[in-house]
Amino acid sequence: RKEVEQDPGPFNVPEGATVAFNCTYSNSASQSFFWYRQDCRKEPKLLMSVYSSGNEDGRFTAQLNRASQYISLLIRDSKLSDSATYLCVVNGGGSYIPTFGRGTSLIVHP
Amino acid sequence: DTGVSQDPRHKITKRGQNVTFRCDPISEHNRLYWYRQTLGQGPEFLTYFQNEAQLEKSRLLSDRFSAERPKGSFSTLEIQRTEQGDSAMYLCASSLIGTTGELFFGEGSRLTVL
Repeated sequence: RKEVEQDPGPFNVPEGATVAFNCTYSNSASQSFFWYRQDCRKEPKLLMSVYSSGNEDGRFTAQLNRASQYISLLIRDSKLSDSATYLCVVNGGGSYIPTFGRGTSLIVHP
Repeated sequence: DTGVSQDPRHKITKRGQNVTFRCDPISEHNRLYWYRQTLGQGPEFLTYFQNEAQLEKSRLLSDRFSAERPKGSFSTLEIQRTEQGDSAMYLCASSLIGTTGELFFGEGSRLTVL
């Protein structure tokens, strides 16, 4: 079983739609969780950290479910510019090595 | 520009040649990571440094790969006797101990082995 698993998609949605991605992780001792965004042929950049209480940043909401070992990302009112790959990242649990999922591809069309 | 910089951005080489990549992290960052990414996959951990000490190395990393961070600042990643399977994007990232652990990535070095 991979340490961090994501559905690669692609998720193909119209502008204005709400879309949600999930990510599961295997190390129950993991402590830090992030969502990164990666545009085509560019480097990953932090989108948001994921806190135990859940957090929101504009149209983006991230949640953590420790009991089931998954994190989620919800994007409301999708924009064309949201088209990218979204990478789930898990850290901690006895290691300082951030572990990436394979990413979920989102395509927002007019 | 005080971000992470990598050099070269692109490298095309013939199988069997050696290549070296350089990474200059954000100056006050004490952790430096190397990842490899291929098409359709997420970044895969290779190795990381805390200051000048190499603390972990992926067991997937063959002995053809070596990395250094001699003075705790810039780092180099060398691949000896390159193989076609080494073709990938090599990403460097840095972070600061005591923060959220956010990684700041360079733009990557794309390697093509012919």
